[in-house]
Amino acid sequence: DAGVIQSPRHEVTEMGQEVTLRCKPISGHDYLFWYRQTMMRGLELLIYFNNNVPIDDSGMPEDRFSAKMPNASFSTLKIQPSEPRDSAVYFCASSLGDSTRNFGPGTRLTVT
Amino acid sequence: EDKVVQSPLSLVVHEGDTVTLNCSYEVTNFRSLLWYKQEKKAPTFLFMLTSSGIEKKSGRLSSILDKKELFSILNITATQTGDSAVYLCAVRNSGGSNYKLTFGKGTLLTVNP
Repeated sequence: DAGVIQSPRHEVTEMGQEVTLRCKPISGHDYLFWYRQTMMRGLELLIYFNNNVPIDDSGMPEDRFSAKMPNASFSTLKIQPSEPRDSAVYFCASSLGDSTRNFGPGTRLTVT
Repeated sequence: EDKVVQSPLSLVVHEGDTVTLNCSYEVTNFRSLLWYKQEKKAPTFLFMLTSSGIEKKSGRLSSILDKKELFSILNITATQTGDSAVYLCAVRNSGGSNYKLTFGKGTLLTVNP
């Protein structure tokens, strides 16, 4: 079991650039979650999918953020245009039904 | 809106000490409370609690839930330097297909040799 895979692990970009974060959930898991973690706000849920369908995106901060899950083994979180306040660690997690979340290693995003 | 408050925010102890971490919550239609350990990377699952008064135990770690008083504690006995981490508490409500977890901001535990 490879666990949840995220790429890149680190991303440094300039304000205004587009950023795409990628996630491969654990095979067979039917839920996928995107979280953002900062010192100020802790771990916040941005959006989650069930069977590739977005269920709740109320945590997405604004229209600059978008997420897709084209198939059961891949999801992206895109920020366009990026801003310095988007700097955070972004975690992807997956689960099988109502089980505990398995978190990926995270992507540390720095927007200068 | 669901809310989770953890205390203390940070704690420094010496190896061998026993620590108690606190988590209080407000949630509509409580379903479960989870504890995670986060070292320098992703949170890893420790316990899930759904019933009051039943202690969950794993080695030197244990946790218990009080659904009447709306809190949980995580105990670590005979602490080791490897226990140094952020400990996160999260709650889940049982509203329909809502699988959202609301996390607290965590307790940073530092265990010194």
